[in-house]
Amino acid sequence: QVQLQESGPGLVKPSQTLSLTCTVSGGSISDGGYYWTWIRQHPGKGLEWIGYIYYSGTTDYNSSLKSRATISLDTSKNQFSLKLTSVTAADTAVYYCARISLYAYYVDYWGQGTLVTVSS
Amino acid sequence: EIVLTQSPGTLSLSPGERATLSCRASQSVNSKYLAWYQQHPGQPPRLVIYGASSRATGTPDRFSGSGSGTDFTLTIRRLEPEDFAVYFCQQYGSSPTFGQGTKVEIK
Repeated sequence: QVQLQESGPGLVKPSQTLSLTCTVSGGSISDGGYYWTWIRQHPGKGLEWIGYIYYSGTTDYNSSLKSRATISLDTSKNQFSLKLTSVTAADTAVYYCARISLYAYYVDYWGQGTLVTVSS
Repeated sequence: EIVLTQSPGTLSLSPGERATLSCRASQSVNSKYLAWYQQHPGQPPRLVIYGASSRATGTPDRFSGSGSGTDFTLTIRRLEPEDFAVYFCQQYGSSPTFGQGTKVEIK
């Protein structure tokens, strides 16, 4: 059973960088059948895809965030990470790490999510 | 970017009733890449349907998905107490997008 767990600060100051890490267990991020992705959900709202990384290091991002978001891999730790620069209150959300199955491009496993609040 | 519009925003029904949820895309979606998720408060979403009509592992057979092109439907044949939740559709064209969700609440 694959499990994903987000970790990182729950409070970030405006203009600073949000940094989150996702630790994957029960499966390898070097498995070529999946994208490793970040998705966020603003309080009481819908879901917004942030971006993904493939085991090869290939990335893609939501165009609305592309200039601020960076996703990276650490295969030695079976982790992937998100950095979001120049945050504002609009970046306050629950951040999920998740796995996208390339069989039919659906999310088959989600982390529990972590609330990140942007506030001074 | 493909925009998904879900309707209604809220569905008020009683246990045992039938729920019909709609997801309309701004342009044609490959049915293979259309999924539905269920989310309870404080929990991450859970995959219910993928490929527009295939039930995910653990999804009861009272759930069914249908549709093609720009119009997709999730039907819950007889609502059980655990089915009251928010449902999101999701497509994967050049990049994934989600609908805004339909809340199925107890009437």
